[in-house]
Amino acid sequence: KAGVTQTPRYLIKTRGQQVTLSCSPISGHRSVSWYQQTPGQGLQFLFEYFSETQRNKGNFPGRFSGRQFSNSRSEMNVSTLELGDSALYLCASSLGGLGDTEAFFGQGTRLTVV
Amino acid sequence: GESVGLHLPTLSVQEGDNSIINCAYSNSASDYFIWYKQESGKGPQFIIDIRSNMDKRQGQRVTVLLNKTVKHLSLQIAATQPGDSAVYFCAESDSGGGADGLTFGKGTHLIIQP
Repeated sequence: KAGVTQTPRYLIKTRGQQVTLSCSPISGHRSVSWYQQTPGQGLQFLFEYFSETQRNKGNFPGRFSGRQFSNSRSEMNVSTLELGDSALYLCASSLGGLGDTEAFFGQGTRLTVV
Repeated sequence: GESVGLHLPTLSVQEGDNSIINCAYSNSASDYFIWYKQESGKGPQFIIDIRSNMDKRQGQRVTVLLNKTVKHLSLQIAATQPGDSAVYFCAESDSGGGADGLTFGKGTHLIIQP
């Protein structure tokens, strides 16, 4: 079965622009979580969506937002890009139910802000 | 000033030897712990998980040990192979499972020497 798919794989944007990243979870998975990975801060949790609702949120500014569609696909948006937003953005999917365990990560979108 | 990238601890072992990677966590409320492996250019890959009501769990060539008293987690890899070379992350959660709200450690770079 297909894994978690993130598009695009690479992106270059200019400061001040906005960007939308996409994540298609594994079929049947209803939970999608987003993470930012940088050399300085490591992996940090952005937010988690389940059944089109944001269930949990990390400590990121409001410029970072997301949504989930009825088919569980998710998008995250970053507005007014800053140089420090350059990172690998990862999404992970899981079943999302009570006692849920194993989560699967996509290969990530490498965002470079110039 | 310029941010400094993470200096990952490195563990170098001979092929065929056993390796132990350690991790300290901070949240006493964490009830779910996971080890991930990340190879260059890829997203984190689930290795093994353990819940707080257990102190040991075994998988194929891997064992995770949890010591809640000192908030310590370890990953043992038996008979290491070249394909085990990667960065290993521990992660903790008080959300019960999946990839929701995981707090990741800084990572350990495991190098398998031929």
